[in-house]
Amino acid sequence: NAGVTQTPKFQVLKTGQSMTLQCAQDMNHNSMYWYRQDPGMGLRLIYYSASEGTTDKGEVPNGYNVSRLNKREFSLRLESAAPSQTSVYFCASSESLRTGVTGELFFGEGSRLTVL
Amino acid sequence: GQQLNQSPQSMFIQEGEDVSMNCTSSSIFNTWLWYKQEPGEGPVLLIALYKAGELTSNGRLTAQFGITRKDSFLNISASIPSDVGIYFCAGQLWGNQFYFGTGTSLTVIP
Repeated sequence: NAGVTQTPKFQVLKTGQSMTLQCAQDMNHNSMYWYRQDPGMGLRLIYYSASEGTTDKGEVPNGYNVSRLNKREFSLRLESAAPSQTSVYFCASSESLRTGVTGELFFGEGSRLTVL
Repeated sequence: GQQLNQSPQSMFIQEGEDVSMNCTSSSIFNTWLWYKQEPGEGPVLLIALYKAGELTSNGRLTAQFGITRKDSFLNISASIPSDVGIYFCAGQLWGNQFYFGTGTSLTVIP
């Protein structure tokens, strides 16, 4: 029972390099999310996908792009990494982000990114 | 984005003691979630609450959905060393985003 799986778990980049964080869930959830977690800042939403084929900006989208590849997979791309993007990134999923539906949010184990 | 007020920020307790923490919001929610996060790990869902006044237990953990729908409480009874971690709350209103508390760091002294 894998739940939400993220890769890679650790990554070191140089400023200006690009990379993609991968996320997959096996719970048949409609909605997927990318958060970053920084000391003292809590979890902040970067982008989310309410359902397959849709993506929307969250609280801190600048410098990131996302792709909802299919119902299972949601990737986060850093086109030109900056030191300010050093953080722990969490992918999460929930059954549905839709009016009238409540649900539980499940997280992956995190991807620790350092940008030098 | 909205951040929930969670208190206390940190707790240092003796093994065997009970623990209480709470989370408050300026907005009402339909769902309250409680998570535990250990160092280097992702948040793990402990308890989900869906109804005002609801009281739900998971082993030694008990959580309550406040009657005003603007707060929630988590209690841990008879703490043990493996309870160490950061506990945080999350709230959701139907069709909207999840909002998170800043966490309560729990240290259990054997």
